[in-house]
Amino acid sequence: DTAVSQTPKYLVTQMGNDKSIKCEQNLGHDTMYWYKQDSKKFLKIMFSYNNKELIINETVPNRFSPKSPDKAHLNLHINSLELGDSAVYFCASSQPGTRADTQYFGPGTRLTVL
Amino acid sequence: GQNIDQPTEMTATEGAIVQINCTYQTSGFNGLFWYQQHAGEAPTFLSYNVLDGLEEKGRFSSFLSRSKGYSYLLLKELQMKDSASYLCAGGDNTDKLIFGTGTRLQVFP
Repeated sequence: DTAVSQTPKYLVTQMGNDKSIKCEQNLGHDTMYWYKQDSKKFLKIMFSYNNKELIINETVPNRFSPKSPDKAHLNLHINSLELGDSAVYFCASSQPGTRADTQYFGPGTRLTVL
Repeated sequence: GQNIDQPTEMTATEGAIVQINCTYQTSGFNGLFWYQQHAGEAPTFLSYNVLDGLEEKGRFSSFLSRSKGYSYLLLKELQMKDSASYLCAGGDNTDKLIFGTGTRLQVFP
């Protein structure tokens, strides 16, 4: 009965590799997000999708490509991984119109690039 | 520009009261949120203010002054399990949440 789930929870990989993180929500929300939390614990929005359409795309390298096959899923694919990509990536979802989009976060994926 | 400021760290004693302040500057205003994040876990929603004043929810209360761009989170009867980071976030006019760096609260016995 998990609300927002992400896989994998931990990901360790070499520089230059390509990897994907998956996110699913069973809350029936229309909007999903990807955040990056760096070592200083600063949580920064990367992307937002509403009903499978991209609505927020912050200044993120184009090595990062989100994909939303349906409104319950938002996956993040990262090409040519770099050391600076090491961080915790959180997926979140919200329902527009309900208390200004209170966001519910997944458990996070800790990515370590060696 | 968009900016959220809050103290980096605070300490308090079990049973005490602590107030965590936050000042914000966002493009448009769509509410002020507080989230709690325990180490190694996801942020969880605590409170939301869009009108001026105090919102109380059990041991936690949140206050907003829109004219001053200021909010605080008040935690009463502190417990050891309240040791966590508390993230202040402002909603802007593009449905985006701008997060502060978080305030790491340590509660001592």
